[in-house]
Amino acid sequence: DQQVKQNSPSLSVQEGRISILNCDYTNSMFDYFLWYKKYPAEGPTFLISISSIKDKNEDGRFTVFLNKSAKHLSLHIVPSQPGDSAVYFCAARKLTGGGNKLTFGTGTQLKVEL
Amino acid sequence: NAGVMQNPRHLVRRRGQEARLRCSPMKGHSHVYWYRQLPEEGLKFMVYLQKENIIDESGMPKERFSAEFPKEGPSILRIQQVVRGDSAAYFCASSPTKVETQYFGPGTRLLVL
Repeated sequence: DQQVKQNSPSLSVQEGRISILNCDYTNSMFDYFLWYKKYPAEGPTFLISISSIKDKNEDGRFTVFLNKSAKHLSLHIVPSQPGDSAVYFCAARKLTGGGNKLTFGTGTQLKVEL
Repeated sequence: NAGVMQNPRHLVRRRGQEARLRCSPMKGHSHVYWYRQLPEEGLKFMVYLQKENIIDESGMPKERFSAEFPKEGPSILRIQQVVRGDSAAYFCASSPTKVETQYFGPGTRLLVL
């Protein structure tokens, strides 16, 4: 049962434009959501997070939006840069009874073209 | 301030051998998590440990896999009698408290021949 889904395996965007990566979840008990970026042969790098009590969090070029009623979150990167090319993973946490374990989506490969 | 360290980065084992993966958390972090990434998949939670305690091992296969985080030294993920299906990237993450962000190491890529 895939509780966190990233339905787009890949996304191609031109440099300077906006990248929008999407994530859907099924478990309404998730209370915290995170985005990680991963380069080949490296570990995931934390990007940005959002609590379930908020609907938006912004950090520089990265903004995460959360729509609880739709069980949907998105990561916006503006402006996109070639160095942003990587796999982006959405992750969710259910703290109560679940400790701090993260449930990951399958990732979206972002390619930022010149 | 060094990040999460994992060694070895690459490990090759023949079927039936044992694999030992090590993880040193970030300084000041006492919570350690192990995840496994199979080819073309996302990361899957395996086990969550604090010093000398296993808190949640709900993602660990029931047989052949074990984990520890002793009072001194790194956390160890041990896989006995490896099979080809164990070939994957194993990532360790750490956090300072139960609720704070997890930071990941570079991973150990295990190949079982």
